Amino acid sequence: DAKTTQPTSMDCAEGRAANLPCNHSTISGNEYVYWYRQIHSQGPQYIIHGLKNNETNEMASLIITEDRKSSTLILPHATLRDTAVYYCIVRVGNTGNQFYFGTGTSLTVIP
Amino acid sequence: GAGVSQSPSNKVTEKGKDVELRCDPISGHTALYWYRQSLGQGLEFLIYFQGNSAPDKSGLPSDRFSAERTGGSVSTLTIQRTQQEDSAVYLCASSLGGGRNQPQHFGDGTRLSIL
Repeated sequence: DAKTTQPTSMDCAEGRAANLPCNHSTISGNEYVYWYRQIHSQGPQYIIHGLKNNETNEMASLIITEDRKSSTLILPHATLRDTAVYYCIVRVGNTGNQFYFGTGTSLTVIP
Repeated sequence: GAGVSQSPSNKVTEKGKDVELRCDPISGHTALYWYRQSLGQGLEFLIYFQGNSAPDKSGLPSDRFSAERTGGSVSTLTIQRTQQEDSAVYLCASSLGGGRNQPQHFGDGTRLSIL
């Protein structure tokens, strides 16, 4: 099963870009990279996902290296409401139907 | 549109009692998942339903745990003879299909406390 490695915590100044790295060196060719975040007492919130091309949506951008062994989630203009735990996930399970959530990165946006 | 809805949001019960947790997935989503999250831990997969296929029960921790999904929509997770180690947040998610390219959308969970 492909696992992920993320820094335990990061700080970011409000209004600046937050760049959250993730290593997934054992990812296989058909596994997608997903990003979620979780704010205390709420369920995980879907942010973005990708296979090998860079992706962008209204929340964030996802940059995946050419060898697919790592990726970076970019929040272009961080706000205080972006303070949360961010999870980088590679789908696992026999049919890709289970998510393995690690410990994630606790992002604190500082005023 | 409406997201995944779970009820109750909180449940406190005595050890040995049975509990039922409910999940209403997003309308039209054929895949439904149950996870649990213990304090400070990641998510633990429990069970997965996809359409009319037999559910993947590989994550259920014991035979005290069971789940059903009626009419391909609402799901109920039942825990019999609850134990203190069952205390956790139980999360439900749904997705449009069961493929690898389908994001799972989560509810806010049921916080279960066993006294």
